[in-house]
Amino acid sequence: EIVLTQSPGTLSLSPGERATLSCRASQIVSYNYLGWYQQKPGQAPRLLVYGASLRATGIPDRFSGSGSGTDFTLTISRLEPEDSAVYYCQQYDRSPLTFGGGTKVEIK
Amino acid sequence: EVQLLESGGGLGEPGGSLRLSCAASGFTFSNYAMTWVRQAPGKALEWVSGIGNSGGDTYYADSVKGRFTISRDNSKNTLYLQVNSLRVEDTAIYYCTRGAGVRVPAALLEVWGQGTLVTVSS
Repeated sequence: EIVLTQSPGTLSLSPGERATLSCRASQIVSYNYLGWYQQKPGQAPRLLVYGASLRATGIPDRFSGSGSGTDFTLTISRLEPEDSAVYYCQQYDRSPLTFGGGTKVEIK
Repeated sequence: EVQLLESGGGLGEPGGSLRLSCAASGFTFSNYAMTWVRQAPGKALEWVSGIGNSGGDTYYADSVKGRFTISRDNSKNTLYLQVNSLRVEDTAIYYCTRGAGVRVPAALLEVWGQGTLVTVSS
């Protein structure tokens, strides 16, 4: 199975700063079948990015995804207080579907 | 509005059974593969099971294979997960999710329900 490793575990930043979240895969993720999800406390996850770099419907343009192969990045260009959440990457290239361990973004 | 509404969670004893349901609305249910994902308290997301849009193809994580059964009733727009031989480690919120199309089991999870909590304890 494809193991996804996210780093850092926790990111603590101020509003307006840039957040860079990493997701590294143990094998090549073909077709860039890599998604990012945001999960706020007490809520279900929400799809942010698919195909490694395509924003889902209604997602603000401060969220952007990049990368290919085994290294992927989610960038939040200007943090807002409501961006406080845990972010998960997920590969849907091959079975079993797998998730990373998550990165918690805290807003100071 | 596209919606998924889970039910059926609760307290179960080790070795016991529960049946989770997910009522779908706002889209043509029979056109989409569906997936169950769970999240143990304070832990990351874990894929549990997936089913093709017609119900003919089913897939399971190794951790639940032989104990859980996924099914769907397209006439009722409802997805099910029969969970048998419960273990303490099955304690989690179980989310019903809709794939981006018919692809399963590796699927992009476009829509999520709010989840139903399963607690396994004696």
